[in-house]
Amino acid sequence: DPKIIQKPKYLVAVTGSEKILICEQYLGHNAMYWYRQSAKKPLEFMFSYSYQKLMDNQTASSRFQPQSSKKNHLDLQITALKPDDSATYFCASSQDWGGAGGQLYFGEGSKLTVL
Amino acid sequence: GDSVTQTEGQVALSEEDFLTIHCNYSASGYPTLFWYVQYPGEGPQLLFRASRDKEKGSSRGFEATYDKGTTSFHLRKASVQESDSAVYYCALRDYGNEKITFGAGTKLTIKP
Repeated sequence: DPKIIQKPKYLVAVTGSEKILICEQYLGHNAMYWYRQSAKKPLEFMFSYSYQKLMDNQTASSRFQPQSSKKNHLDLQITALKPDDSATYFCASSQDWGGAGGQLYFGEGSKLTVL
Repeated sequence: GDSVTQTEGQVALSEEDFLTIHCNYSASGYPTLFWYVQYPGEGPQLLFRASRDKEKGSSRGFEATYDKGTTSFHLRKASVQESDSAVYYCALRDYGNEKITFGAGTKLTIKP
């Protein structure tokens, strides 16, 4: 059974609309992340959270807003969608934040297409 | 900032061929290095990692040796199989930074 659940697996949106990508992890990890994968930038770091606190934000646009209601949840709200936002968004987790030895576990991704 | 360079975007081999995928990195500190593999429709998964100079990581017949002198972590396998077809990512994480930086990826296709 997948330990990191992402919903939906596929979604289509129109330009200017808003979508929320859901992520829940059942690994008991304390740190969670969002990565984006597209043809232009294969695996691009977006955000990291530790114990529901934002630790790092490498996303230039405020249209991308992570939301953490519980330690094992990290959703991603995207507003004013643009065709360039079309990508597969991966949620990931690791045991703890900080330290160079940790391993990332990825979900199966949510593929977003913006028309 | 940190960066990872994979020189091969695509590699096509036949079964039992020898595989090398080149990876060079740039980091300000002493990073941990990773190889991840991604199969179609799935998220990347860790193949193996190495944390110290001269350390060899290995899994499923794949191996790579951390070389601080040449800042490299090349992936090798002596005899590839069709089931090895996937995208391979070299990655690094510098100490104190939870962000893992990935290379561009190398798509490996093995012909039966």
